[in-house]
Amino acid sequence: GAVVSQHPSRVICKSGTSVKIECRSLDFQATTMFWYRQFPKQSLMLMATSNEGSKATYEQGVEKDKFLINHASLTLSTLTVTSAHPEDSSFYICSARGLAGGLFYNEQFFGPGTRLTVL
Amino acid sequence: SQKIEQNSEALNIQEGKTATLTCNYTNYSPAYLQWYRQDPGRGPVFLLLIRENEKEKRKERLKVTFDTTLKQSLFHITASQPADSATYLCALGFSGGYNKLIFGAGTRLAVHP
Repeated sequence: GAVVSQHPSRVICKSGTSVKIECRSLDFQATTMFWYRQFPKQSLMLMATSNEGSKATYEQGVEKDKFLINHASLTLSTLTVTSAHPEDSSFYICSARGLAGGLFYNEQFFGPGTRLTVL
Repeated sequence: SQKIEQNSEALNIQEGKTATLTCNYTNYSPAYLQWYRQDPGRGPVFLLLIRENEKEKRKERLKVTFDTTLKQSLFHITASQPADSATYLCALGFSGGYNKLIFGAGTRLAVHP
């Protein structure tokens, strides 16, 4: 199956700093990547969708200037949380969809998530 | 308003029994529905996809049904094992655009030996 990795798995930062999270598709070409946020015992909330080489499409209520998304290649997308505050503390998960072995997979393959704690 | 509802209370069952989890939705018209498994502190793992024109899908010990009239999907795990203990998420999928998913909050399943 398709593998998606995230780095780092955990990050603790001070309020006001920026944090970058990487999402990589290891064995397929991720034409579309999705970024989610999940608070404890709640559902995954889609933050934004990005196609390789295009600007991300943000969901309503998500500040695009605060959550910067870059999808510069078919295997890498980054989410930067700028000027992080304690309320940004959450579990951030990326997923990817795309081509593997010449076949297009419609289902999303998820990364292991990144736990962000802002002090 | 639009809602996806999964039983928020944990489902506790005995090993070997069949676990049945429910996903109900309101004011959505999904083209397909997916079920995922999520372990604590981990990302979701894809299990099954069922399309709006399919009534039932099976994969090994898993079975999913999809009733677009009732706006409900049922997820069954037969011969359950303690290793099946996890949170199970349903997600509605929509054709067109980027095929984004809308997730339910999940139901935690605990299988006891």
